[in-house]
Amino acid sequence: KAGVTQTPRYLIKTRGQQVTLSCSPISGHRSVSWYQQTPGQGLQFLFEYFSETQRNKGNFPGRFSGRQFSNSRSEMNVSTLELGDSALYLCASSRQGATSYEQYFGPGTRLTVT
Amino acid sequence: QKEVEQNSGPLSVPEGAIASLNCTYSDRGSQSFFWYRQYSGKSPELIMFIYSNGDKEDGRFTAQLNKASQYVSLLIRDSQPSDSATYLCAVKTSYDKVIFGPGTSLSVIP
Repeated sequence: KAGVTQTPRYLIKTRGQQVTLSCSPISGHRSVSWYQQTPGQGLQFLFEYFSETQRNKGNFPGRFSGRQFSNSRSEMNVSTLELGDSALYLCASSRQGATSYEQYFGPGTRLTVT
Repeated sequence: QKEVEQNSGPLSVPEGAIASLNCTYSDRGSQSFFWYRQYSGKSPELIMFIYSNGDKEDGRFTAQLNKASQYVSLLIRDSQPSDSATYLCAVKTSYDKVIFGPGTSLSVIP
């Protein structure tokens, strides 16, 4: 079974620009969560989508947004990029059954803002 | 108080020894607990999950959960140099968010 895929793997943007990252979950998984990982802050939860609805949200500004499509693929958008947005962005998918909450991570998108 | 806490390490153990990694959490209603391994430059990899009090064993790994003490641990038996990585504890809270600890860096010395 194919794992979680993320595109692009690496991205360099300029401050003020916007960026869209994509995540395709494991087949059959309906939940997609997004995380930001930096050396100083660790893994920080951005948001979770389930069946095209945002089910949970972390403490990030409104510049960070996402959506999920009917095939469970998800996109994350960051507008008006700041230098501090440079990070590894990870998505994780989960089957989300009654007792199944295990998340599986994609390889991540390394975003550098200059 | 942080929601999920771990000793940052680094934790150094000799090859063949038992490595013990600890995690505490603040939300008493949490029900699901996970251990991830992350090699440098790679994404986290799920290695264990535990939902019930007690021990759960999978190969050289044992997860231990004590909900009364709000404590979860990971034991790695017969540690190998390939186990050298950062280990992340994650907790699914009663408000449905998965919160990660800061991670513990483990170094297994040959």
